[in-house]
Amino acid sequence: NAGVTQTPKFRVLKTGQSMTLLCAQDMNHEYMYWYRQDPGMGLRLIHYSVGEGTTAKGEVPDGYNVSRLKKQNFLLGLESAAPSQTSVYFCASSHIGGDTGELFFGEGSRLTVL
Amino acid sequence: GQNIDQPTEMTATEGAIVQINCTYQTSGFNGLFWYQQHAGEAPTFLSYNVLDGLEEKGRFSSFLSRSKGYSYLLLKELQMKDSASYLCAVKDSNYQLIWGAGTKLIIKP
Repeated sequence: NAGVTQTPKFRVLKTGQSMTLLCAQDMNHEYMYWYRQDPGMGLRLIHYSVGEGTTAKGEVPDGYNVSRLKKQNFLLGLESAAPSQTSVYFCASSHIGGDTGELFFGEGSRLTVL
Repeated sequence: GQNIDQPTEMTATEGAIVQINCTYQTSGFNGLFWYQQHAGEAPTFLSYNVLDGLEEKGRFSSFLSRSKGYSYLLLKELQMKDSASYLCAVKDSNYQLIWGAGTKLIIKP
């Protein structure tokens, strides 16, 4: 099993450019999440989804959009990138009925906005 | 506001024992997680506590006191591969995870 796969792993953007990060999971998990991780700070939730066709805002949603057209995929879009969006982005998924609800993370996508 | 506190960095010696503390103030409590994150890699699940007490899993143990808003992760027989960041996270009343900034553990020979 691949688990949670993120593409691309690295990307450099110029201010104002747009891009999409793709997350795919093969564990049939209902919940999916996008986090960003910055030095000295805890993981911060951007958006999440509790099922196909549904999305919800997390702690830091501004400047990002998401879509979950298929259960296995969760896309994170940046319409007009800003230097403040330079970060490492992690996608995660979890099972609704699991004992702990633990999150399974992708390997991360390192984004630099110049 | 909601807050998770962990030490920023700790140093320990190979073969020794280390305890990483986590204190939390959250709106409600529905479980506490510990994750391990090696540099440049994804966090991976270590432990979950929802009731008071100690949960042991091999060399790693995690303790919870809900009345004190306190948890610790205990690592025994430290190995060089244990050098990593350890993240504490609490699930609040809305079942959202609140994350600490992580504790970087440095193991010296």
